[in-house]
Amino acid sequence: GAVVSQHPSRVICKSGTSVKIECRSLDFQATTMFWYRQFPKQSLMLMATSNEGSKATYEQGVEKDKFLINHASLTLSTLTVTSAHPEDSSFYICSATATGFGNTEAFFGQGTRLTVV
Amino acid sequence: GDSVTQMEGPVTLSEEAFLTINCTYTATGYPSLFWYVQYPGEGLQLLLKATKADDKGSNKGFEATYRKETTSFHLEKGSVQVSDSAVYFCALSNTGGFKTIFGAGTRLFVKA
Repeated sequence: GAVVSQHPSRVICKSGTSVKIECRSLDFQATTMFWYRQFPKQSLMLMATSNEGSKATYEQGVEKDKFLINHASLTLSTLTVTSAHPEDSSFYICSATATGFGNTEAFFGQGTRLTVV
Repeated sequence: GDSVTQMEGPVTLSEEAFLTINCTYTATGYPSLFWYVQYPGEGLQLLLKATKADDKGSNKGFEATYRKETTSFHLEKGSVQVSDSAVYFCALSNTGGFKTIFGAGTRLFVKA
């Protein structure tokens, strides 16, 4: 099956610094990638949708200048949390999909737990 | 817009008990339906899926049937184990959109 790898799995950073999270499709070309955020004991909330070579589409209420998304190639998307603050601490999960998978399923990375101190 | 509603947890069961987690959805068109499982501290794993009405998804003893008439996709397992303790998410994805919409999640605790 399709594999999506997310890195790092855990990161601790100081307030005011920036953190980059990578999402890679290992054995397929991902035309579309999604970034989700999960608060403790809550469901996954879609943050943004990114298509290779174009600007990401952000969901309402998500600050695009705070959460920078780059989908520069068909196998890599990055999420950069800029000037992180403790309220940005969360579990971030990416997913990727491509035509050829029946247009119905996305494959998820393992997630990144971000802690801002 | 599309949405998924699943029963609130937590659900606490004894080992070998029967499990049902209810899930209903609202969607335009003909979505695919999924159950994902998240073990403590880990990411999401696809548990099972169904892509059209009356399909039954099954995996690891879990089953769910796509019921278009009741817009439901209830998760069942005949005999749960302690290792099944996790959070279960019902989700849908609409054709052509790829975007996955999740329910709130149901936490399951299985006692030995």
